[in-house]
Amino acid sequence: AQSVTQPDIHITVSEGASLELRCNYSYGATPYLFWYVQSPGQGLQLLLKYFSGDTLVQGIKGFEAEFKRSQSSFNLRKPSVHWSDAAEYFCAAGSGGYQKVTFGIGTKLQVIP
Amino acid sequence: DTEVTQTPKHLVMGMTNKKSLKCEQHMGHRAMYWYKQKAKKPPELMFVYSYEKLSINESVPSRFSPECPNSSLLNLHLHALQPEDSALYLCASSQAGADTQYFGPGTRLTVL
Repeated sequence: AQSVTQPDIHITVSEGASLELRCNYSYGATPYLFWYVQSPGQGLQLLLKYFSGDTLVQGIKGFEAEFKRSQSSFNLRKPSVHWSDAAEYFCAAGSGGYQKVTFGIGTKLQVIP
Repeated sequence: DTEVTQTPKHLVMGMTNKKSLKCEQHMGHRAMYWYKQKAKKPPELMFVYSYEKLSINESVPSRFSPECPNSSLLNLHLHALQPEDSALYLCASSQAGADTQYFGPGTRLTVL
């Protein structure tokens, strides 16, 4: 069965520190991969996506993610976290041409001064 | 423009009421989606419309009735809901056959 795993439910980092959020997927073939961010009570905003090509993907707000086929991972990174980055982050995967996207359970990011 | 709009932002309704949620996009997308999101959970897919036709129904109870009157609009008609239906309802859209979905801000629904 297709699945997306985010092993960390909650992460706390200090403002200015680096961040890495983990995501692993289980799919029959290499899926399309996404990271979304959601502030409380808001919709989901697309941070970045990977379809093919360069395995290091740049997104908005200074985020990047690296696709590693050998580890079935698509981890999200940011070199220096800002207090405004505090939110819920969802990793998601889909198969090309198929509209059903599988979401991970989400990682809540807390940023402390 | 990657904006999906949803109205209303908040909705409180009784179990005997009939109400509708509205979603609109002007990106030329031909696929539109309804999701339900409970607190501290990921979004759960409810319905998918592709070229104004219902293509996916995730076994959603009939008290939820989707409608896609044209390629820009998506409605969700609500009738005889239960308190456990209280949630954030998210609309999304994408190019038909593509997976990048763009989400609206959601409607916070409370059923009393």
